[in-house]
Amino acid sequence: SYELTQPPSVSVSPGQTASITCSGDKLGDKYVCWYQQKPGQSPVLVIYQDSKRSSGIPERFSGSNSGNTATLTISGTQAMDEADYYCQAWDSSTGVFGAGTKVTVL
Amino acid sequence: EVQLVQSGAEVKKPGESLRISCKASGYRFTSHWIGWVRQMPGKGLEWMGIIYPGDSETRYSPSFQGQVTISADKSITTAYLQWSSLKASDTAMYYCARLETGYVGDYWGQGTLVTVSS
Repeated sequence: SYELTQPPSVSVSPGQTASITCSGDKLGDKYVCWYQQKPGQSPVLVIYQDSKRSSGIPERFSGSNSGNTATLTISGTQAMDEADYYCQAWDSSTGVFGAGTKVTVL
Repeated sequence: EVQLVQSGAEVKKPGESLRISCKASGYRFTSHWIGWVRQMPGKGLEWMGIIYPGDSETRYSPSFQGQVTISADKSITTAYLQWSSLKASDTAMYYCARLETGYVGDYWGQGTLVTVSS
């Protein structure tokens, strides 16, 4: 079965840039989306089709996907961005999530 | 306004059956896939399966095939997730999500917590 690999955690200082990677075999051939989930809340779509921001998502969120790696970048990270982030792709009509990355804003 | 409103929390015993619901409003129900996602306590998200209410085509993730049944009633714009015999390992939060083009979950329900304990 297809697998997506994310780092368990990323720490970033306020105002700095956080990068979260998501790796999978030939991932660049698939569309990747990213979801943000804060404690006790439902997931929120942040990025879809690799790099398109969902409605209402700040411009500091951006995405890319090439080769075997997709990346979510948060520029000028704010305290409110502290959350779990999940990458997701579809493989043979089956949805696959990465295990999630906890972003901590120190 | 698109809304997905899920049924309330459930506490069940092992072996019991259960059906939870996801009531959709604010868009054409028959034109969008709806998916179900499991989140076990303290763990990540897992796609369980998806359904197209227009014709009830259903696709299950391999891990959930045969373990649950996904259905939809377009007359009342509601999708369902059901179990015939619950296990303790089914304890989790379950989310429904509307899937936009490319199977992107653009709107999510608030989640239904299912607790299975003897």
